[in-house]
Amino acid sequence: KAGVTQTPRYLIKTRGQQVTLSCSPISGHRSVSWYQQTPGQGLQFLFEYFSETQRNKGNFPGRFSGRQFSNSRSEMNVSTLELGDSALYLCASSLFGSTNYGYTFGSGTRLTVV
Amino acid sequence: AQTVTQSQPEMSVQEAETVTLSCTYDTSENNYYLFWYKQPPSRQMILVIRQEAYKQQNATENRFSVNFQKAAKSFSLKISDSQLGDTAMYFCAFMKDNAGNMLTFGGGTRLMVKP
Repeated sequence: KAGVTQTPRYLIKTRGQQVTLSCSPISGHRSVSWYQQTPGQGLQFLFEYFSETQRNKGNFPGRFSGRQFSNSRSEMNVSTLELGDSALYLCASSLFGSTNYGYTFGSGTRLTVV
Repeated sequence: AQTVTQSQPEMSVQEAETVTLSCTYDTSENNYYLFWYKQPPSRQMILVIRQEAYKQQNATENRFSVNFQKAAKSFSLKISDSQLGDTAMYFCAFMKDNAGNMLTFGGGTRLMVKP
């Protein structure tokens, strides 16, 4: 059974550009969440999608957005990139709407903004 | 809002020994879940163990066990018979009940298992 797949693994962008990251959840999983991991701020919740609807949103500026498709695949977009957006972006999926069983995480996309 | 604190940025342990990682949290919620995740150099977060706040019994998964003290808001992880493969970052995390899938993480503890 395939795990959570995030593409690309690595990405280098220039300040001011925009970027789209992709996450394919485990087959059958309907909930997808995104996290940003940086050395300074640690792991911070970005947003969660469940059945194509954004259900929770973290404290990030509007430059960060996401969506979920009918096949549960999710994308997140960051516009007008800043140097501080350099981070590991982790996606996690869950079968249930409230996963007290814990997520399954992907291996992340490492974004570097130069 | 919830906060999760891991007071030990780094720890080391000899192979086959036992180590305990600390975690405290702050919340006004009564129903919630607590987790320990492991992040090896491969970057993928792996669930180690989970605990429901309404359960008094401490969770155990093979060599991993927790000491959950709800009144003290403490949730420590004990790793017995440490193995080289246990070397990783360990994160304590909190999730409210019935609030969707949103984790609040602690800052992490880097654990090094020495041969």
